[in-house]
Parts: sequence; C-alpha cells; structure tokens
Amino acid sequence: EAQVTQNPRYLITVTGKKLTVTCSQNMNHEYMSWYRQDPGLGLRQIYYSMNVEVTDKGDVPEGYKVSRKEKRNFPLILESPSPNQTSLYFCASSLAYRGWQDEAFFGQGTRLTVV
Amino acid sequence: AQTVTQSQPEMSVQEAETVTLSCTYDTSESDYYLFWYKQPPSRQMILVIRQEAYKQQNATENRFSVNFQKAAKSFSLKISDSQLGDAAMYFCAYRSAGGGSEKLVFGKGTKLTVNP
Repeated sequence: EAQVTQNPRYLITVTGKKLTVTCSQNMNHEYMSWYRQDPGLGLRQIYYSMNVEVTDKGDVPEGYKVSRKEKRNFPLILESPSPNQTSLYFCASSLAYRGWQDEAFFGQGTRLTVV
Repeated sequence: AQTVTQSQPEMSVQEAETVTLSCTYDTSESDYYLFWYKQPPSRQMILVIRQEAYKQQNATENRFSVNFQKAAKSFSLKISDSQLGDAAMYFCAYRSAGGGSEKLVFGKGTKLTVNP
C-alpha cells in the first residue's frame, strides 16, 4: 500500500528538549516536504527536499532542521523546541517534474505540544 | 508569491442540500494547479478534487464539482447532496506548474458542518 508514515502521532515535550519526528514514504518519490498547521493559518511549508541531499527552506523554517540521507526518509528535527512550535505537523511526498501526476500524499499528522 | 484566500471560516448545510465553499487566489502565473483537500476529525488530508488551469472544463468527482473562473482567480467547491460524512475542514490549495515546484500554498480553511 502506498503511504507516508509519520511517527509519533502525538508528542508532548518540554522546552529545549531536542526531538525528531520521522517521515518515511514507500513510493520512491523524489519530493518530500514538511508543513505545519495552525488554527486560522492553514498549512504552511517548513522545509522541502527535491531529492537525496537536496533540501531547502520553505516559508517558516526558523527553529527546524531536516535531512535527506535516503530517498524514503525525511526527518524533521527540533533542536530546542519552544512553545510557539506547538502545532500539527504533516509530512508530504510526491513525484517531481511530472506535472499533473505530482499528487501529494500526506502522512497522518503529528500533534506536537511543547510546554 | 502566490496567496490563497478562503473567506468563509465556517459554513453549515443541511443533510441532502447543496453547499458552495469559496476560494480565491492571487498569482501572476498562467499555468498552475488547484486543489481542494478535506480534513476530517481523523486529521488525514484527503484530496477531493483538482483542476488544471489550462483546462477550461470544470472538474467533477461524484458529488463534488468546482467552478473555476481563471480570469477572476476563483475556484469554488460545490458539494451536492451533502452527507454527514462530508463534515470536515476543507482547504483550497495552489501549486505552480513549472520549474519542478511541488510546494502547495494553502488557504486558511473552511470548517463545514452538516446538520441532520
């Protein structure tokens, strides 16, 4: 089954404690990205990756890091989480450079609370 | 930069009735894609319908259809014969067609309530 898997689905942590949210896809997609969803703001892109070892900032990258060492995995790292990073996070993947076929597949979401 | 505006934070509809969700967008590009996503309480993002900007014909998927007005930069979603399972947050999204950009630009969402 084609899917994007995020873990964990729920996480409560304390300010300053480093954490990683994992994302894995089994569709051999080149493009992967992270979004955060906040009430009244919709989804905003944090970081994206066009392929292995190729990453770039999205619209709200401050306080986040990513890496793309393997094509299937794209973890999101919060080195020193703060309460303003409390949000719902989505990983998404898609093919790239194929126009209409580039449908985005989303993970199940990770609800992060930083206290 | 492209922007997407959903002017209705909340909407409600009676079961079996029709409802239209509004979406406008701003872009200087001529080729792009538009999407409506549904997010039920499970939080899963589900693609409802999509439209290619160079296609004049409005997309339809069963009870879901769009009214795409390219000149007006408007992309509304019509849900016919509304069902209780249609209750969800709906997001309108834009994606550029060129340059390998896969970034989705989302509106703020419309929460749809379906009353029995």
